Amino acid sequence: DGGITQSPKYLFRKEGQNVTLSCEQNLNHDAMYWYRQDPGQGLRLIYYSQIVNDFQKGDIAEGYSVSREKKESFPLTVTSAQKNPTAFYLCASSLGTVTSGANVLTFGAGSRLTVL
Amino acid sequence: AQSVTQPDIHITVSEGASLELRCNYSYGATPYLFWYVQSPGQGLQLLLKYFSGDTLVQGIKGFEAEFKRSQSSFNLRKPSVHWSDAAEYFCAVGADNNNDMRFGAGTRLTVKP
Repeated sequence: DGGITQSPKYLFRKEGQNVTLSCEQNLNHDAMYWYRQDPGQGLRLIYYSQIVNDFQKGDIAEGYSVSREKKESFPLTVTSAQKNPTAFYLCASSLGTVTSGANVLTFGAGSRLTVL
Repeated sequence: AQSVTQPDIHITVSEGASLELRCNYSYGATPYLFWYVQSPGQGLQLLLKYFSGDTLVQGIKGFEAEFKRSQSSFNLRKPSVHWSDAAEYFCAVGADNNNDMRFGAGTRLTVKP
């Protein structure tokens, strides 16, 4: 079955450490997204990528980095510069074109990061 | 940019009762509107979407939503709630001039037996 796989599901990190969250999709979707979810705040866009080797910052990109070397993969690195990294991170993908807002998003199951 | 407001943070309904979750959006043109549902610790699943045409849209699990341009609303309804509907519900809006999908803060639904 096609879908999005996020790993790990739970991750603990010490302050000052970088961590990388994996996101892989086999839906042949062009676009991929990373959202951060905090209680009572909905989803906020961190980064998105419409094509391989290209990505754009979202609303809260500071302290995060991404890469898109393959269509199927869009890993997110949470760096030590991110002041409050404890959150639930969701990866999504869509078939949408660059200028179309009619993008139905397919989500992964999420990764919960806790900074100790 | 577009924005979404979900006025109700938490709603409790009895099993078998009807449900309406409110969603208001802000956008100058015709928006693309979505409702997603999230079970605890899981990703989001699409319930239904509105792009154009009939303003009453049907979704999965017996949900429906009505787009009202005059009220800038896209409220989600279900005639009879089941215990398995307990979850968090997110309204989202997309636009033609950007790649950003804006989500509301979510409404948590509790179903009483």
